[in-house]
Amino acid sequence: AQKITQTQPGMFVQEKEAVTLDCTYDTSDQSYGLFWYKQPSSGEMIFLIYQGSYDEQNATEGRYSLNFQKARKSANLVISASQLGDSAMYFCAMREGENSGYSTLTFGKGTMLLVSP
Amino acid sequence: DAMVIQNPRYQVTQFGKPVTLSCSQTLNHNVMYWYQQKSSQAPKLLFHYYDKDFNNEADTPDNFQSRRPNTSFCFLDIRSPGLGDAAMYLCATSISRDKTYEQYFGPGTRLTVT
Repeated sequence: AQKITQTQPGMFVQEKEAVTLDCTYDTSDQSYGLFWYKQPSSGEMIFLIYQGSYDEQNATEGRYSLNFQKARKSANLVISASQLGDSAMYFCAMREGENSGYSTLTFGKGTMLLVSP
Repeated sequence: DAMVIQNPRYQVTQFGKPVTLSCSQTLNHNVMYWYQQKSSQAPKLLFHYYDKDFNNEADTPDNFQSRRPNTSFCFLDIRSPGLGDAAMYLCATSISRDKTYEQYFGPGTRLTVT
């Protein structure tokens, strides 16, 4: 079974509208973390937002917020007021457990977001 | 600005000709990772260094090796590149005291095998 599932291969949104990118995960660990990264066509992975499994409040970073529903094992990314520069591939990723001093990430297959004028 | 640097950004090599990709970081992070990302796929972890300790993923081919001569530098060696090794190679770092274990990525090296 996939550990991270992103069911939307592609999403379209108009500039200034909000968009939600879906992510569900599967883990038996009690301690884990969820990340969203943006990857423009240039290739660099840009960190957007992080949610820890013990965090009681949903994470927010500027126009990005994470809709964390622990019981449903979902961690959807919400981008408010989309901009043309938001067009990119978006990856959801999970780190499991608390290894001694490092983590490994499992990535979903990504969602390509296209923002139109 | 502290950052993760990868050189070169684009590398072309011939089938079977050894190639080395480099990564350096000014973040003073103790953990460094190498990922392979093929076209339209998710990044796949190849291996990582936790300080000087090397950790190989179980399904990483023997063709891929790595060296970390000091904290700042890490190299990915592909001994005999095949056409299937054409991909984006991403280097990332993290630091143990940050319990989110956020990984900081470099811009990547896009490898073409001819």
